[in-house]
Amino acid sequence: NAGVMQNPRHLVRRRGQEARLRCSPMKGHSHVYWYRQLPEEGLKFMVYLQKENIIDESGMPKERFSAEFPKEGPSILRIQQVVRGDSAAYFCASSPTTVPSVPLHFGNGTRLTVT
Amino acid sequence: QQQVKQSPQSLIVQKGGIPIINCAYENTAFDYFPWYQQFPGKGPALLIAIRPDVSEKKEGRFTISFNKSAKQFSLHIMDSQPGDSATYFCAASMGTSGSRLTFGEGTQLTVNP
Repeated sequence: NAGVMQNPRHLVRRRGQEARLRCSPMKGHSHVYWYRQLPEEGLKFMVYLQKENIIDESGMPKERFSAEFPKEGPSILRIQQVVRGDSAAYFCASSPTTVPSVPLHFGNGTRLTVT
Repeated sequence: QQQVKQSPQSLIVQKGGIPIINCAYENTAFDYFPWYQQFPGKGPALLIAIRPDVSEKKEGRFTISFNKSAKQFSLHIMDSQPGDSATYFCAASMGTSGSRLTFGEGTQLTVNP
């Protein structure tokens, strides 16, 4: 059973370009969470999705950021018109349930560098 | 009120020592407190977790101590090994937010041989 798969592992974008980060949850997991980790900082919640629904996007910047989790295919975190401050590691986590005691499984992240 | 404060930021111990990492929270609605371990280039992995109805939980060399009245909890690593060198994050969640976690800032632990 493969773990949470994120790709690409590393992504370099110039300022103003778009970044698309993909996350395939573990098999049987229908709950996906995106977190951002800035250098030397902890992980900050961005968005929580279930299939075809955004449940909680309270941690996501209002502009330039969007997320989706379609019925088929991976979850996508999209950042439009990237700026240097978007440089960070973006982690996806999945769970089969909303019960907190069932652990989240994290992917190995996508490291975005904006030049 | 959603924050979880973690200290120290970094910690260096000798092999066999007992590093202790502390966390404090404000929101009394938090009801689940996990610790995650992260190695460079990897995602966080769950290490151990506790609920506020118990004061201590042990799993192998890892122990969580929980003080509900002080709203604090800590991680102790017994007989630490160089392979334990990693970044450790405490976190908290509440039943109403599902598995959404609020993380501490992290502690970079180095265990010297």
